[in-house]
Amino acid sequence: QSVLTQPPSASGTPGQRVTISCSGSSSNIGSNSVNWYQQLPGTAPKLVIYSNNQRPSGVPDRFSGSKSGTSASLAISGLQSEDEADYYCAAWDDSLNGWVFGGGTKLTVL
Amino acid sequence: EVQLVESGGGLVQPGGSLRLSCAASGFTFSSYSMNWVRQAPGKGLEWVSYISTSGSTIYYADSVKGRFTISRDNAKNSLYLQMNSLRDDDTAVYYCARSSSSFAGVDYWGQGTLVTVSS
Repeated sequence: QSVLTQPPSASGTPGQRVTISCSGSSSNIGSNSVNWYQQLPGTAPKLVIYSNNQRPSGVPDRFSGSKSGTSASLAISGLQSEDEADYYCAAWDDSLNGWVFGGGTKLTVL
Repeated sequence: EVQLVESGGGLVQPGGSLRLSCAASGFTFSSYSMNWVRQAPGKGLEWVSYISTSGSTIYYADSVKGRFTISRDNAKNSLYLQMNSLRDDDTAVYYCARSSSSFAGVDYWGQGTLVTVSS
């Protein structure tokens, strides 16, 4: 059971916009910023959003993030087949003194 | 280019020990806090341990506290994870991950090393 809650799956057709949610509590998302990671099959995770809504260089502007209270979301617009991957949210937890992750959302591009 | 290369994984019996290493290059290792994160087969990511730049601050997940020890050697640009009293549920790919110096979070990950605990 992950500390942060994500839907196990999401899907969309090419060109569509999809959103992945991440729910936490006051000790993690409620008091710290959220980061999002993309994990392609058989590879290491890659940072796609940091500090709630910032994109690292090289990440397409189709990726965006937001946070409100104890929840956060990742949006991918203009969906492409290469976006098919697992996505994880993460935040520092002040009570656990450690990083907590969501269980991951498998994004399928139909 | 930031590079993190893990080594030391393998097959070990329950109750056994293993030491993982992570060789860092492409950045000033001593200026960055580091982490170990693991992923059981077909499962999600689980943070394991954190160590500050000097090693003065260390945190562990409850699941490994008392069994795993994180350490670093800044002169050798290396991060370590000593794993003792290994259990079946420690089976996972173990990633070495760098904490960013500009935001709260991990910015780079190694490719991981597989640890299998089985009799």
